[in-house]
Amino acid sequence: GQQLNQSPQSMFIQEGEDVSMNCTSSSIFNTWLWYKQEPGEGPVLLIALYKAGELTSNGRLTAQFGITRKDSFLNISASIPSDVGIYFCAGQERNDYKLSFGAGTTVTVRA
Amino acid sequence: GAVVSQHPSWVICKSGTSVKIECRSLDFQATTMFWYRQFPKQSLMLMATSNEGSKATYEQGVEKDKFLINHASLTLSTLTVTSAHPEDSSFYICSARDSRYLNQPQHFGDGTRLSIL
Repeated sequence: GQQLNQSPQSMFIQEGEDVSMNCTSSSIFNTWLWYKQEPGEGPVLLIALYKAGELTSNGRLTAQFGITRKDSFLNISASIPSDVGIYFCAGQERNDYKLSFGAGTTVTVRA
Repeated sequence: GAVVSQHPSWVICKSGTSVKIECRSLDFQATTMFWYRQFPKQSLMLMATSNEGSKATYEQGVEKDKFLINHASLTLSTLTVTSAHPEDSSFYICSARDSRYLNQPQHFGDGTRLSIL
């Protein structure tokens, strides 16, 4: 699959601050997913988006499926130390269910 | 729900050894499983897709005779790295989804760290 453009590459934030990251693609996707990966572990699904314009929350996390179907963003509000990790966006383009991944956003939270 | 178990977590073995990694879906039927490889500080690279009871489909550049994939049941897929060499050292991650339904995301195992000496 194609590599998605995910930014920023890394973030150093103070505890309590909000975090925003986004992904763009050159192709139209029918699904956007956001995963979090911690060292030595597999990615854990945070939010799944299936419809253009959809805005979905999971606790302090909010993600949106862009109206053009070529982008998505993830917001984390009031960050806490356990938010540390690498966040990946992933898009599904076709019905073969393959995912294309972004390069990841590394989040570091300072207490 | 949607738990994927991967075993072993760590493997260290000598060059030339074949290594088998198991991926199990514990509470759902994994009609489709995927195998990924991840290098340090990089994203996940899809190696192959397998549907239960069918031969795996490999991505371009992935040697099917090197990375043998078996998906004989709805809850188990295995990846065998044959005659492993140091360049095969990596983090291997499986994922699974129930492809009978729409809007089912991939759920990932915890990965296997493979180190070939």
